[in-house]
Formats: sequence, C-alpha cells, structure tokens
Amino acid sequence: DTGVSQDPRHKITKRGQNVTFRCDPISEHNRLYWYRQTLGQGPEFLTYFQNEAQLEKSRLLSDRFSAERPKGSFSTLEIQRTEQGDSAMYLCASSRIGATYNEQFFGPGTRLTVL
Amino acid sequence: KQEVTQIPAALSVPEGENLVLNCSFTDSAIYNLQWFRQDPGKGLTSLLLIQSSQREQTSGRLNASLDKSSGRSTLYIAASQPGDSATYLCAAPLNTGTASKLTFGTGTRLQVTL
Repeated sequence: DTGVSQDPRHKITKRGQNVTFRCDPISEHNRLYWYRQTLGQGPEFLTYFQNEAQLEKSRLLSDRFSAERPKGSFSTLEIQRTEQGDSAMYLCASSRIGATYNEQFFGPGTRLTVL
Repeated sequence: KQEVTQIPAALSVPEGENLVLNCSFTDSAIYNLQWFRQDPGKGLTSLLLIQSSQREQTSGRLNASLDKSSGRSTLYIAASQPGDSATYLCAAPLNTGTASKLTFGTGTRLQVTL
C-alpha cells in the first residue's frame, strides 16, 4: 500500500491558463475527496466521489472547476481560466466504504501558484 | 453548518514541556473527531481518531479526549520534542449518513524549542 499520491506537487501558472491535477487513491478505496487549503487556514471540502459517481460538491467549486473519476480509480481536478485567488494547496484524500470510522488518508498535496 | 475553532493559533514551548491543544465545534452530532499533523508545505498525517461514542484515544505521547456535550476536544502532548513542531489540525465531520466530509479548524502552529 503506497498511500495517496498526487501529481504534480507544485504548479506555477499564469492567470487565465487551465491546469489539471491528478490524484491516485489507495488501492481498493472507494471514496475520494478533494480539499483546498489556503495559507493559514484549514482545508476546505470541495467535492467527493464514491467509485466513479460525484456525489457532493461544495459551493466553493465554481463552474471553472471540474472533477472527474473515470472508472472509479484515479481522479483529476481541472481549473479553467485560473485566477490569483485559486492559489492554494489542493489536497486529495481517500477512504474505504465499510472501513472503521471512515478514516480518510491524505496525499502530499499540489501547491498551485497563479501569477 | 459545522464550525470548528482551535485555540491557541500558535504556541511556543521549551522541549520537555507537556502541552494541551484545544478544539471546539458547534454541532455535537459528529461522526468522529480526528486530529492531524501538517508539516510546512506538506499533506496531512492522521494522529488520532476518536469515534463519537468514545471519550479518548492514546497513541504514544499523544492523548486526545472528546466531550461531545460541550463540543470540545483536547490533544495532550507529553514531554514535547523539537520534532513535534508542526501545525495541528482537528476535524469534526457531521454524522449525516453520507461520506462524512471533514470540517477543519484553522490549526494550532506549535514550535518546540531546544
């Protein structure tokens, strides 16, 4: 079990560009979550998947954001027309249905800087 | 809507001291209570998870307690070490019958000095 992985670890982009992040959950974990963390704040929930179905989206997830989880394995988070306010750490977590306490395991995050 | 508050926001202690970090939440209908550690620029590492029916959990020098009725949890760190320096976050997801998205506090930034 290699843990949750995220790619890239760092991304610098210019305002207006599109970016895509990838998350690979722990194998056999059915649920996958995306959170966003700005400097000095705790992570905030964005969205979650159960298998390939996106079951909940936060109001923080504007129409410039889209997340997918094809085939219920890895997930991608795309941000279109990036803005400086999108600069943050994007964290992915996974958990297994039926696991004790639904404990979530986090990846190392992707740090996005929008210039 | 669940709101989670952590006090203090920052704490500096000399090595060897025992310390307590506080977490309060507004809605007591929680699924569980989790404490995480975050090193600068890194992801979150789970430290302790207390089920809603439990009162405390222990792991090594760490002890976390939960009082649902008062909406409070504490993380006790015994004999602090410089390696404990990090930000500590608590999360109190609501028991909504779904996947229990985590609601975090803003964290306590701990520095343990030599």
